[in-house]
Amino acid sequence: DAGITQSPRHKVTETGTPVTLRCHQTENHRYMYWYRQDPGHGLRLIHYSYGVKDTDKGEVSDGYSVSRSKTEDFLLTLESATSSQTSVYFCAISETTFGEQYFGPGTRLTVT
Amino acid sequence: KNEVEQSPQNLTAQEGEFITINCSYSVGISALHWLQQHPGGGIVSLFMLSSGKKKHGRLIATINIQEKHSSLHITASHPRDSAVYICAVGPNTGNQFYFGTGTSLTVIP
Repeated sequence: DAGITQSPRHKVTETGTPVTLRCHQTENHRYMYWYRQDPGHGLRLIHYSYGVKDTDKGEVSDGYSVSRSKTEDFLLTLESATSSQTSVYFCAISETTFGEQYFGPGTRLTVT
Repeated sequence: KNEVEQSPQNLTAQEGEFITINCSYSVGISALHWLQQHPGGGIVSLFMLSSGKKKHGRLIATINIQEKHSSLHITASHPRDSAVYICAVGPNTGNQFYFGTGTSLTVIP
């Protein structure tokens, strides 16, 4: 199994608070992704990174920011959490742009 | 507009049946992936295809580039195959995968 972890695995937070999710990999893969998964929508890309300090927006990036200061870590921040951001968040890594993706175990976030 | 459509959305089969899940897409692609997600579980990659056919155990994936269509077949289905199967395409322009909404498969003993 690819070495990819997410923390925390579960989080409950209140509306308006900032939240940071962490994705950590030990595979030295260039590409890292943050997705959210909601019933009826499938996986939707929030942000992705194609190298250290190189990031770009996905289709549902509003309200989220990311940072990648080293190869192994990709952080997702909800600047001011809203109930619509209640979801399961998955991180994924890949060696090439559309190569095989390895997914983390997911983080279940509930915003009350 | 959904670039990737999967069918059926839900599928129930008896153990031992041959199963087919379909994926149609509307963009030119560089690669197509099939993913598996067990209930409450993580997501794993089953296949990556750019042409032809691949086989892994009881799973077979095919792709027809001209028709923009891929199928995932499961032979001799087993209850442990119960999962959501997701089709994802990497387009030949842009940097983002397009995902189908998944096919939920339940195999009954």
